[in-house]
Amino acid sequence: GAVVSQHPSWVICKSGTSVKIECRSLDFQATTMFWYRQFPKQSLMLMATSNEGSKATYEQGVEKDKFLINHASLTLSTLTVTSAHPEDSSFYICSAREGNSPLHFGNGTRLTVT
Amino acid sequence: AQKITQTQPGMFVQEKEAVTLDCTYDTSDPSYGLFWYKQPSSGEMIFLIYQGSYDQQNATEGRYSLNFQKARKSANLVISASQLGDSAMYFCAMREGNTDKLIFGTGTRLQVFP
Repeated sequence: GAVVSQHPSWVICKSGTSVKIECRSLDFQATTMFWYRQFPKQSLMLMATSNEGSKATYEQGVEKDKFLINHASLTLSTLTVTSAHPEDSSFYICSAREGNSPLHFGNGTRLTVT
Repeated sequence: AQKITQTQPGMFVQEKEAVTLDCTYDTSDPSYGLFWYKQPSSGEMIFLIYQGSYDQQNATEGRYSLNFQKARKSANLVISASQLGDSAMYFCAMREGNTDKLIFGTGTRLQVFP
């Protein structure tokens, strides 16, 4: 079945540095991927829609210059958290869909900014 | 605006018993999809079951069934014969129209005890 892989699973970085998170569709091509953020004990909130070969679409309130999304191939989308701050510490999770199948999610990345 | 409501922050159920997790939704779009995902403590989102707005029958997947009451705008998840491994967070989500964007509820933490 469709598998979405996310890397890294967890990352700790210092305030002010940038962190890149990868989301790969392993056995299918995904023209669209989605990035969600989940704060502790809260629900998933859609951050942006990643579109292969074009600009990402950001949800209201999400800073596009802070959360850079690149979808350069049909199997890879990356989310870069630039100049990370402690308030960016969260669980980031991507999803993608193959054909008419339900959305499949990666295993998520837990980001801690110190 | 579309909205998903899960009113049960937590539920307890004894092993081998059935449990119902509530979900109500609001949308003005006649075409939508409803999903349930399971999130164990490890963080990954596991797809459980899907119900389309035009589906005539309630969806079932193994021990999971969805009690879809369109007029009441509810899509409750029923887990039969609960197992200890069912202990997790459960999220109800809605896809509106033909998009792949999901809106999630706040989740219900289910704990299964022996």
